[in-house]
Amino acid sequence: QSALTQPRSVSGSPGQTVTISCTGTRSDVGNYNYVSWYQQHPGKAPKFMIYDVSKRPSGVPDRFSGSKSGNTASLTISGLQAEDEADYYCCSYAGNYIWVFGGGTKLTVL
Amino acid sequence: QLQLQESGPGLVKPSETLSLTCTVSGGSISSNNYYWGWIRQPPGKGLEWIGSVYYSKNIYYSPSLKSRVTISVDTPKNQFSLKLNSVTAADAAVYYCAGSGLGNYWVDSWGQGTLVTVSS
Repeated sequence: QSALTQPRSVSGSPGQTVTISCTGTRSDVGNYNYVSWYQQHPGKAPKFMIYDVSKRPSGVPDRFSGSKSGNTASLTISGLQAEDEADYYCCSYAGNYIWVFGGGTKLTVL
Repeated sequence: QLQLQESGPGLVKPSETLSLTCTVSGGSISSNNYYWGWIRQPPGKGLEWIGSVYYSKNIYYSPSLKSRVTISVDTPKNQFSLKLNSVTAADAAVYYCAGSGLGNYWVDSWGQGTLVTVSS
């Protein structure tokens, strides 16, 4: 099972919108609506931000949204804020109780 | 609210076995309401799923680590453990234990992580 593919880095200015892609295969992202996204600040454990492709847990601002098309999932952050600067990871269920993560994307708020 | 805490040696010699324990509070390890797992993150790199345990006995491993890893559950102590044998420098990472509500396809709760270095 190969890691999902994410861009190494993205950036945006405060108030702008950025999108992070997560590309898998027909065996994982393309086959299941079980993509989740995690935010990780330096030295901290990840925090889940999106589950089941596009659902937000309570407490996560509605500036964060998720979507999927084919084998690619996306995390969109609108109204970018300084505290959004972090690493972001996608994760997909791949069947047979197996999970696969993306390589991570560093978001820089300019 | 689940709380998880990893513990174990921070330094392991090459070719030896890495052993970590995760202590769970706020929920029962034997409950049918949760499943448990281990995830690691090499320094400066991404997350890697290691394996998960359901109903205290159904255990699933990453295909890439399956030959070297064992996850077990200690119900009386409300703990689950990870053993990874024949470690190399590539196994150096922050190891996280994690918990999720059964039926949830995401990681609800994370431990704070513990750094394991592999060096002689």
